[in-house]
Amino acid sequence: DTGVSQDPRHKITKRGQNVTFRCDPISEHNRLYWYRQTLGQGPEFLTYFQNEAQLEKSRLLSDRFSAERPKGSFSTLEIQRTEQGDSAMYLCASSSLAGRLEAAFFGQGTRLTVV
Amino acid sequence: GQQVMQIPQYQHVQEGEDFTTYCNSSTTLSNIQWYKQRPGGHPVFLIQLVKSGEVKKQKRLTFQFGEAKKNSSLHITATQTTDVGTYFCAGPSYSNQGGKLIFGQGTELSVKP
Repeated sequence: DTGVSQDPRHKITKRGQNVTFRCDPISEHNRLYWYRQTLGQGPEFLTYFQNEAQLEKSRLLSDRFSAERPKGSFSTLEIQRTEQGDSAMYLCASSSLAGRLEAAFFGQGTRLTVV
Repeated sequence: GQQVMQIPQYQHVQEGEDFTTYCNSSTTLSNIQWYKQRPGGHPVFLIQLVKSGEVKKQKRLTFQFGEAKKNSSLHITATQTTDVGTYFCAGPSYSNQGGKLIFGQGTELSVKP
């Protein structure tokens, strides 16, 4: 399977714990995005990488959130001191700079539940 | 800030009826994209429209991009149960430095057999 893969698919954690999610993008894609989606809403942008450089981070993202993309391949999203409001689906997407098509290809997401 | 709005939020149709969802952006867009998310699934790219007034068809789906490049629509002819899901439009951020997308809140389509 050459699509975007995310791990884990589901995560239940207690409030105050740290969690880390992983995303493996489509191999030839140099752009990687993290989005968050809550019920009844569209995906909301969190942060974006081009290769290994983090080029943009949403102002909505608190300091408890951090993302990395070492070597421009897979990416991790860490949430420290989780809060109940962090419960959501975390979606990773990748896209390519080549050509005019700017479509984002999404992974299946990690559903986070903070109890 | 930049916003993308969709109406209606929900649409319930009988199988065989037509369906249309409308998308409006607060800013002019360089392109508009449409995604479909099945229940329990993730957004899947359907199409990208780039030109003013562009119309594209995919079988029973017709996509339009407005002349001012601020609105778009998706029309499904003769819906089937396989069309069930939420349809999102998305446009690049006006501060676009790398393809960041602003999504509408989606239109959830349910189809009664």
